[in-house]
Parts: sequence; C-alpha cells; structure tokens
Amino acid sequence: RKEVEQDPGPFNVPEGATVAFNCTYSNSASQSFFWYRQDCRKEPKLLMSVYSSGNEDGRFTAQLNRASQYISLLIRDSKLSDSATYLCVVIHQAGTALIFGKGTTLSVSS
Amino acid sequence: EPEVTQTPSHQVTQMGQEVILRCVPISNHLYFYWYRQILGQKVEFLVSFYNNEISEKSEIFDDQFSVERPDGSNFTLKIRSTKLEDSAMYFCASREVKKTQNQPQHFGDGTRLSIL
Repeated sequence: RKEVEQDPGPFNVPEGATVAFNCTYSNSASQSFFWYRQDCRKEPKLLMSVYSSGNEDGRFTAQLNRASQYISLLIRDSKLSDSATYLCVVIHQAGTALIFGKGTTLSVSS
Repeated sequence: EPEVTQTPSHQVTQMGQEVILRCVPISNHLYFYWYRQILGQKVEFLVSFYNNEISEKSEIFDDQFSVERPDGSNFTLKIRSTKLEDSAMYFCASREVKKTQNQPQHFGDGTRLSIL
C-alpha cells in the first residue's frame, strides 16, 4: 500500500473556479502534514502546513481528518498561476523526513 | 532571501562512474537532506544528516550512496558506480533545528543526473 495517495488528475478548470484535492496516508503515526507545490521540472515549494483544526491562507484552505487519515486542499478563485502539481506530504512520528505523494496536477485556463 | 544552492545543475556521467553532487545549505540550518525524483515519479527521501552523522535513511540509500559535510558550508552526496536507474533529479534541502517537526524544509533547485 502506498504511504501517501493522491488522485493524479489532471484537473482542468477555468479561471475563477474552486477546486479540491484529496490525499490519504497509511501510517497512523504520521504527525505533521503539508501541501507543497511543484512546477514542471522545479523543486518542491512549501504551500502550507496542515493543522488539525484546519487552516486557511488566502485562497487556500487545508483540512486534516486524523481518524480517516485524510487531508484536503481547497483552492478558491483559481488563477492561471495556480497551474502546477500539488504534493501531499507527511512526516512520520519518529523522524523528520518528508514522505511525498505523487501529486495532483492542476491546469487553470483562461 | 537565503536559499539552498546546488551544483552542478546538470551532470552527465557514464554508467559505472562515481559522481558527487554538491549542496550549500542555508547558513544557519543544521538539518540537511537529500531527495530524488525519477522522471514522472514522486519525490523520494534518501537521507537526513544532523550533527555530522546520518540521522535517517531510506531503503534507497544503500552502500552505493554516501554523504559528507567536508567543510562548514558544503553538503555532498556521492554515488559510487552509478547505474542507469540512478538517473533522476536530486534535491538537497535544509531546515533549522527547532523542536517542532513543522519547521519547513527549504529545497535547492536540484541537480539533474543523467547516466548513459
């Protein structure tokens, strides 16, 4: 079973749309959760950490459900510049290594 | 803004040769990492390094691989006797040392390694 699973997409949406990505993780001992963004052939960049109570950063909202081992990312009012691959990332309790999902590709068109 | 720098940006090497990938982490960071990403696949953790020793490593990080901090600024990944399947983008990352795991890891822009 994959440690972090994501729907690969692609999600093709028009500008202004709201889009949601989901992620599940297999290790119940995972303690830290993140969404990273990766542009084509570039390095991953931290988008936001995900907290148990849910958190928002501008147009981006992240949710965590520990009981279901499920993480989500909601992007409102999509911009062309949001086109990228979104990576769900966890850290296991014992370490600091980032465990990445394969990513969900988003394409926003005008 | 300080950043992690990696050299070279692209390395082409014959199979069986040794290769050294170099990284300069952010200056006040003390935790260092190597990740790799094979084309079309996910980013995979290789190794973390703290206090001059390996703190974690994955199954991928076998005897073929080694890491070193040869001086106060560089952090290197050596791959001995490279194989075709070592072709990938290799990312270095660093982070501050604080007690919370949520300290962000800052990534370099990677070295593309091509094994012929």
